[in-house]
Amino acid sequence: DQQVKQNSPSLSVQEGRISILNCDYTNSMFDYFLWYKKYPAEGPTFLISISSIKDKNEDGRFTVFLNKSAKHLSLHIVPSQPGDSAVYFCAASARYVGQAGTALIFGKGTTLSVSS
Amino acid sequence: DTGVSQNPRHKITKRGQNVTFRCDPISEHNRLYWYRQTLGQGPEFLTYFQNEAQLEKSRLLSDRFSAERPKGSFSTLEIQRTEQGDSAMYLCASSPGRGTDTQYFGPGTRLTVL
Repeated sequence: DQQVKQNSPSLSVQEGRISILNCDYTNSMFDYFLWYKKYPAEGPTFLISISSIKDKNEDGRFTVFLNKSAKHLSLHIVPSQPGDSAVYFCAASARYVGQAGTALIFGKGTTLSVSS
Repeated sequence: DTGVSQNPRHKITKRGQNVTFRCDPISEHNRLYWYRQTLGQGPEFLTYFQNEAQLEKSRLLSDRFSAERPKGSFSTLEIQRTEQGDSAMYLCASSPGRGTDTQYFGPGTRLTVL
């Protein structure tokens, strides 16, 4: 039972355009969402997060949108750069639901390729 | 701040051998987590520590796995009698244990069991 789903295994975008990565979740107790970026043979690198009390969070070229009613979040990268090419993971946690709330539940990832 | 470090970065072992991995978290981070990642999957939670106390273990953590954080600083993950199915990337993360409590990951240890 996958609680966090990234239904697009891959996405190709041209340099300078917008990249939109999507994530759906099923557990209504999740209250904190994060995006991580991962290069081969490296650990995930934190990009941006959003609390369930917000619907948008922006950091430079990265913006995360949260739609709680649809249980959906998305990561927008504008403008996309070739260095953004990596695997992007969506993760969620239920921080205030017992001890297990600290664990992050990850999607399977979306591979973004940005061509120049 | 040098980030989370993990050693070794790669480990190749034969089935049945024991292996031990080490994780050094970001200094002053109270929480430390272990995850496992296999090909095509996202990281999967194994266990976490608040200081030296191991507070949560996943069902993925069979009795062949043991983790310690004896002084609330570095942590070790030991796998006894390794099996080929243990081949994976083992990731360590740490977080401050307060505020937004974002988890920061190390580079991982790639385990190959032959």
